[in-house]
Amino acid sequence: NAGVTQTPKFRVLKTGQSMTLLCAQDMNHEYMYWYRQDPGMGLRLIHYSVGEGTTAKGEVPDGYNVSRLKKQNFLLGLESAAPSQTSVYFCASRNRVYDNEQFFGPGTRLTVL
Amino acid sequence: EDKVVQSPLSLVVHEGDTVTLNCSYEVTNFRSLLWYKQEKKAPTFLFMLTSSGIEKKSGRLSSILDKKELSSILNITATQTGDSAIYLCAVYPNRDDKIIFGKGTRLHILP
Repeated sequence: NAGVTQTPKFRVLKTGQSMTLLCAQDMNHEYMYWYRQDPGMGLRLIHYSVGEGTTAKGEVPDGYNVSRLKKQNFLLGLESAAPSQTSVYFCASRNRVYDNEQFFGPGTRLTVL
Repeated sequence: EDKVVQSPLSLVVHEGDTVTLNCSYEVTNFRSLLWYKQEKKAPTFLFMLTSSGIEKKSGRLSSILDKKELSSILNITATQTGDSAIYLCAVYPNRDDKIIFGKGTRLHILP
């Protein structure tokens, strides 16, 4: 099993450009999450999904959109990137409500110039 | 507002020392508390705690939850340079799909 994978690993964007980060998991998990991590800030939740076709906002959703068209994939979109979105992005998944451990992907380092 | 606070934010010790990391929380209807270790990549799971007073142990690492004090500690004995990492504490409020992370404790072990 590959677990949770993220594509791409690194990306540099110019202000105003758009991009999509892909998260894929092969563990048949219902729940998937997108976090961003900035120095000294811990992990902050952007959006999450409790199942195929459903999404919900987290703590810092502004400037991001998500889609969960297939159970195994969770996409994070930046429509018009801003320097404040420079960060490391982590995707995570977990099995069900009372299976609490979240499994994390390797992260995507995004720089917006 | 639900929150998780970790202390200290940063800690530097010498190899062989014992360290104690703290995590306190304020959440509605606590369900569980998790500890993660993060080196230069994704966080990896260490422990999940749900019951007060029951110690979880893995090698030199151990953790315990105190629901009365709304806190948990993570102990690392006989520290090694490989223990250098950010240690994250996270809490699930009950009947909630999202976990709340603290800001982490950055631990650096000097050889």
